[in-house]
Amino acid sequence: QVQLQESGPGLVKPSETLSLTCSVSGGSIGSYYWNWLRQPPGKGLEWIGYIYYSGYTKNSGTTKYNPTLQSRVTISIDTSKNQFSLNLNSVTAADTAVFYCARSGGFNYHLDFWGQGTLVAVSP
Amino acid sequence: EIVLTQSPGTLSLSPGERVTLSCRASQSVSNRYLAWYQQKPGQAPRLLIYDASSRATGIPDRFSGSGSGTDFTLTISRLEPEDFAVYYCQQYGSSPYTFGQGTKLEIK
Repeated sequence: QVQLQESGPGLVKPSETLSLTCSVSGGSIGSYYWNWLRQPPGKGLEWIGYIYYSGYTKNSGTTKYNPTLQSRVTISIDTSKNQFSLNLNSVTAADTAVFYCARSGGFNYHLDFWGQGTLVAVSP
Repeated sequence: EIVLTQSPGTLSLSPGERVTLSCRASQSVSNRYLAWYQQKPGQAPRLLIYDASSRATGIPDRFSGSGSGTDFTLTISRLEPEDFAVYYCQQYGSSPYTFGQGTKLEIK
């Protein structure tokens, strides 16, 4: 059974960079699409983007981002650690949310495994 | 971007009742690439239905999905106490992948 676990600071200052890592266990990180999503408190879900690692080039993946966040987002992968990461720069209070990592089994595929989520607050 | 509109926003029902939730898309969802997720307070969403009508592993058969094009539904044939939660639809046929705003099922 694949398991995902988010980790990172729970508090980030405005204008700084939010950095989170998702650790994948119980399966290989290769040949799947690895997603980040967020959910502001009391609100709905927003897809941030994904990275796809084909397994051919170490630590290199294909990314796709939500256009609303594309200018501020970077998703990367570390195959040696079975982890992928999210960087969101120039954060404001509007970026306060629970951040989830999730797996999709292929291109244009549903999200079948999710992490438990981690709350990140943006505040001075 | 495909906008998904779920209705109603909140439903108050009793255990044992049958319920149908609606998800309407602003444009056609390709290949019926629509999923339904259940979310309980403090938990991550859980996949219920994918490709509009396929049940995910371990999901009871009281959950069923249908629809195509722009209109999709999730039906729970007989509500159990553990089914009271928020339900989201999501389309993954075109990027950016988008979610509906959710329907909350509450106990009457």
